[in-house]
Amino acid sequence: NAGVTQTPKFQVLKTGQSMTLQCAQDMNHEYMSWYRQDPGMGLRLIHYSVGAGITDQGEVPNGYNVSRSTTEDFPLRLLSAAPSQTSVYFCASNKAGGRAREQYFGPGTRLTVT
Amino acid sequence: DAKTTQPPSMDCAEGRAANLPCNHSTISGNEYVYWYRQIHSQGPQYIIHGLKNNETNEMASLIITEDRKSSTLILPHATLRDTAVYYCIAFIQGGSEKLVFGKGTKLTVNP
Repeated sequence: NAGVTQTPKFQVLKTGQSMTLQCAQDMNHEYMSWYRQDPGMGLRLIHYSVGAGITDQGEVPNGYNVSRSTTEDFPLRLLSAAPSQTSVYFCASNKAGGRAREQYFGPGTRLTVT
Repeated sequence: DAKTTQPPSMDCAEGRAANLPCNHSTISGNEYVYWYRQIHSQGPQYIIHGLKNNETNEMASLIITEDRKSSTLILPHATLRDTAVYYCIAFIQGGSEKLVFGKGTKLTVNP
């Protein structure tokens, strides 16, 4: 299994540009989430999904859109990039049910908005 | 979700046990204590979790006080590769399944 994969690894955008961060998992997990991590800070939840077709907002959803058309994929769209969105973005997935809820994280996408 | 409090940083000598404390005095009865760590700038990694009883796995041990207001993560023989930020999270299973990360404890293992 590849686990959770994210593309691209690095991205530089100009203010106002849009782009999509890709996230995929091959573990058949129901739950997927997007976090951002600013320097010296913990992770903050942007959006999450409990299954295909179902998404909800996290702590910092403004400026981001998500959709979940398949179990495997959970893309994060930046509508109009701003310098405040410069951050490292992590995607995670976990299985519903069962004894443990450990989330599996991807390697991250480092985004710079100039 | 209950708020957790951790010291910002700790040091440990290589080969010694690292004991990382976490305070969660407002934890509710159905909230589990989860521990994750983040090595350098990688994605966080699950370590262990527990509800009431002490737990042990191949990575660490988790000691939860009887009143559940605090817990301690124990790395029995710390290595240089255990240098990381460790996060203690109170989490409700079956709810929104959202992890709320604080700033964690930066553990530095010294040779």
